[in-house]
Amino acid sequence: EDQVTQSPEALRLQEGESSSLNCSYTVSGLRGLFWYRQDPGKGPEFLFTLYSAGEEKEKERLKATLTKKESFLHITAPKPEDSATYLCAVQASGANNLFFGTGTRLTVIP
Amino acid sequence: DADVTQTPRNRITKTGKRIMLECSQTKGHDRMYWYRQDPGLGLRLIYYSFDVKDINKGEISDGYSVSRQAQAKFSLSLESAIPNQTALYFCATSDQYRDGYTFGSGTRLTVV
Repeated sequence: EDQVTQSPEALRLQEGESSSLNCSYTVSGLRGLFWYRQDPGKGPEFLFTLYSAGEEKEKERLKATLTKKESFLHITAPKPEDSATYLCAVQASGANNLFFGTGTRLTVIP
Repeated sequence: DADVTQTPRNRITKTGKRIMLECSQTKGHDRMYWYRQDPGLGLRLIYYSFDVKDINKGEISDGYSVSRQAQAKFSLSLESAIPNQTALYFCATSDQYRDGYTFGSGTRLTVV
């Protein structure tokens, strides 16, 4: 059974304090791993897709990495506007949909 | 205008009532999905459709039905609403898996 576990559940950072969010997954053959950002009262917004171990993607202050068991979302020198819930999802080979974790709620304090 | 539009944004309904949530998209995507989001449980798939003639159940389809009226329209119905269907509902679309999903802004449904 596919499983996605995100940690920590919540994270408070001072502005400029870099950190990482973790997404551990169990899936019967990974087709892709996805990161989304969700602001309160809004739908998730697509950030990255990773397909194979060792792959990395970057966007502004965010960098996503992938191993065979987990993915990290690194946030470098975060700003208050980076505050949001970050969701991780996996798609198994042969599956028709994404399976989501419960998210990490990030708060960046000025 | 938003790429994926959900109506209504908020709805309060009574137990036993039938309710329809609507979703329309301007992305030109073939694939559409309905997800439900509950605190601590994440997003869970209710139904999905890969084209107008294709409807598939997700992991939590009991108590729900869907209709794909056109490529751009996908509606979700609760035949007889119950309080544990109180949740945030999201519609999403995709063209191919590598592009990820585009989500609507959600419908907050409360069943009293």
